[in-house]
Formats: sequence, C-alpha cells, structure tokens
Amino acid sequence: EVQMVESGGGLVQPGGSLRLSCAVSGFTVSSTCMSWVRQAPGKGLEWVSVICSGDNTYYADSVKGRFTISSDNSKNTLFLQMNSLRPEDTAVYYCAAFYGGFDPWGQGTLVTVSS
Amino acid sequence: EIVLTQSPATLSLSPGERATLSCRASQSVSSSLAWYQQKLGQAPRLLIYDASNRATGIPARFSGSGSGTDFTLTISSLEPEDSALYYCQQRSNWPWTFGQGTKVEIK
Repeated sequence: EVQMVESGGGLVQPGGSLRLSCAVSGFTVSSTCMSWVRQAPGKGLEWVSVICSGDNTYYADSVKGRFTISSDNSKNTLFLQMNSLRPEDTAVYYCAAFYGGFDPWGQGTLVTVSS
Repeated sequence: EIVLTQSPATLSLSPGERATLSCRASQSVSSSLAWYQQKLGQAPRLLIYDASNRATGIPARFSGSGSGTDFTLTISSLEPEDSALYYCQQRSNWPWTFGQGTKVEIK
C-alpha cells in the first residue's frame, strides 16, 4: 500500500527555519520525481519544488534561495529545508509523487509563520 | 511563468447534468496539463494527466480534452460527490503552475 506521511510543521517566527519530512512507503522516492506543493489558508494550490533522479532540483521563484529539497534513499524520505521563513509562507505543505501528474499526495502538514 | 486561467469561478448544476470546466494557458503547454479534484479538508486527487488520460481509479464520467492553450475537463453526469474544487496544472515550463480553481456546486 502506498503511503506518504508528512511531519515537521508547526509555528515558527519570521526569519526562522523548519525542516519538513515526508516518509514514503509502497514505492521508492528515487524511482520518480518527488515534489512539495503548498496551500495557504483559503487559497489555491502553489507548486513549491521538485527533485528528480535524486539530484535535479527546481524551485518556485517565491522560495528560491530559501528552501532546499532533498531525499534520502536509505530512509525513503523526502525533505524540505525552509529557511528565512516569511508570513506568506504560512500554508499546508503537501508532498506528492509525480508521474505526469501529482499522485499520490500526503495528508499535508501545517506551517504557520507568525510572531 | 505560464499563467493558467480557469473559468468559470463557480459552476452550480444539478445531479445528472453535464459540467464543462475550462483552463486557458498564457502560452502553449502542448499536452502537459493535469486536472485535480480537491474536497474540503482533503488533499487534492489527480483526475487527468497529459490532458486526456484518466488517472487510476477515476470514474469514466470524468474526461479531459485540449492541447496547446485551451483545455476542458468534462464531467458527463454530475454525482453529489463531485462537489469540490477543481484545479488545472501545467508541467510544460518551469515553474510549474496551477490555475486558480473552479468550484463545482451541486444543487
């Protein structure tokens, strides 16, 4: 059974850092592209970042230089290191595999950036 | 950045009716377009990929068409459980982008 479980969200002050994790079972993270997508409260979906073949990474302009996506094949886990966080980064963060479309998705983890 | 514009913003129809949702790209995305359904409080679910291919387990009443800049998601006969937000998304150019969504309401 495929499962993707995010963790690491929480409340952080502006300028702070968080590291999100997405533990995957049922397939290997190195077998496809893996991505983060976020959704601010009451808003639409925003693609954040993707990692393909373990080392090709791409980012939305809004997070470039502040966020880093990575994966650990031994733990079969996807990560998102988020630095210099801003209030506008407040959102539910979903991890998702990508096979022509984002599928499957995790349940999401809430990140709140506020003082 | 490719902008995806979805219309209408809200669609209110009765069960059994046909729903037609539009997604227009600011430049050609070839067939690199997907559609998602998101119900309240849930993660999105992939419906259609590469413009017209139904994802695994998606009912046949959902279909996608189009290429280039104009795309359509059709729900042939609405069921009460189809009440949701629907998003299109392109993977033709970086950064990948989503449309702003269409809300489908069932009367």
